[in-house]
Amino acid sequence: DAGVTQSPTHLIKTRGQQVTLRCSPKSGHDTVSWYQQALGQGPQFIFQYYEEEERQRGNFPDRFSGHQFPNYSSELNVNALLLGDSALYLCASSFLAGGQDTQYFGPGTRLTVL
Amino acid sequence: AQKVTQAQTEISVVEKEDVTLDCVYETRDTTYYLFWYKQPPSGELVFLIRRNSFDEQNEISGRYSWNFQKSTSSFNFTITASQVVDSAVYFCALSEGTGATNKLIFGTGTLLAVQP
Repeated sequence: DAGVTQSPTHLIKTRGQQVTLRCSPKSGHDTVSWYQQALGQGPQFIFQYYEEEERQRGNFPDRFSGHQFPNYSSELNVNALLLGDSALYLCASSFLAGGQDTQYFGPGTRLTVL
Repeated sequence: AQKVTQAQTEISVVEKEDVTLDCVYETRDTTYYLFWYKQPPSGELVFLIRRNSFDEQNEISGRYSWNFQKSTSSFNFTITASQVVDSAVYFCALSEGTGATNKLIFGTGTLLAVQP
């Protein structure tokens, strides 16, 4: 049973560029959540997608956007990158229809903005 | 406002010692979930346990045990007979509402170092 997968593992960008991160949920899961984890901090919720719609959103600017595909996989897009966007980006999947399930995390994508 | 506080930034113990990680939460909801996750150096968050606000029964699972007390808004985690492989950052998290799939609010984590 494949767990949550994310790509790429590492990414280096420069300020002002745009980046796309990808996530495939665990088999049987229908919901994808994205979190940003700065060095030495706990993860911060960015947004959650269910049925290809943004279901919840955290306190992040519009530069952060996402998408969910019919196969439940998801992308996180960040435009006009800032140095402060350097972080570990974690994707988590869960089964919303089940209501009682837990969010399981992928290995993350480490983004460095120079 | 919802908040999770992990006052212990770093803990260092010697192998086979018992260690307790503290977690205090704030929420106005009467229905919520509490979680513990482990983050080894590889970076992936590993789920350890989930408790809902109606289940104050404490649990022991192997070397792990959890103490949930609504009266003090605490959800502490104990490792008995710690091992070097337990070295990691441990996060406590809160999810409000009736679904455990709502957004998670994390504490700042406790770095546990188990020395051989």
